[in-house]
Amino acid sequence: AQRVTQPEKLLSVFKGAPVELKCNYSYSGSPELFWYVQYSRQRLQLLLRHISRESIKGFTADLNKGETSFHLKKPFAQEEDSAMYYCALSRTGNTGKLIFGQGTTLQVKP
Amino acid sequence: NAGVTQTPKFQVLKTGQSMTLQCAQDMNHEYMSWYRQDPGMGLRLIHYSVGAGITDQGEVPNGYNVSRSTTEDFPLRLLSAAPSQTSVYFCASTRPGAYEQYFGPGTRLTVT
Repeated sequence: AQRVTQPEKLLSVFKGAPVELKCNYSYSGSPELFWYVQYSRQRLQLLLRHISRESIKGFTADLNKGETSFHLKKPFAQEEDSAMYYCALSRTGNTGKLIFGQGTTLQVKP
Repeated sequence: NAGVTQTPKFQVLKTGQSMTLQCAQDMNHEYMSWYRQDPGMGLRLIHYSVGAGITDQGEVPNGYNVSRSTTEDFPLRLLSAAPSQTSVYFCASTRPGAYEQYFGPGTRLTVT
């Protein structure tokens, strides 16, 4: 079965602390993995995807095919990082259909 | 460009009523999708379309109808609303082979 699991509903950290939002997936085939973010009163938007291997707003995510994980990391959290984060996957080459995880709310306290 | 637009922003329905959630995009995207967002469940795909005249079911299609007569519009119809359809509905669009989906602002629907 195709599934994305985000085990933490809420992650609360202090400003300046490291952040790791966990994402595990199950998929038969070669998926594309993404992190989407929804800031308060804003639209859901793409944060990063595994193929680009880039750092966006200080966040990085590495695809670990052995552990079927795609955890999102940032070394020093900022208050403006507070948001809902969704891990998602799609079949390679077809991004019209996304399978989302349950979402993790990141709360960065001052 | 307005991007992806959705109307209405909020709606309250009584059980059994029908209504149409509107979605439009001005980016000439062929792919369009409808998702519902529920607490603890993330976003789940309801229906999607790969072009005008072509639609298919997603993960949770029951109780919803779609059609796609133009590239720009992808309305979602609730045939007979039920309290279980209380949710936030998001429309999204993208191009074939592109990696990013563009989301609308959402419609918050309450069914009493």
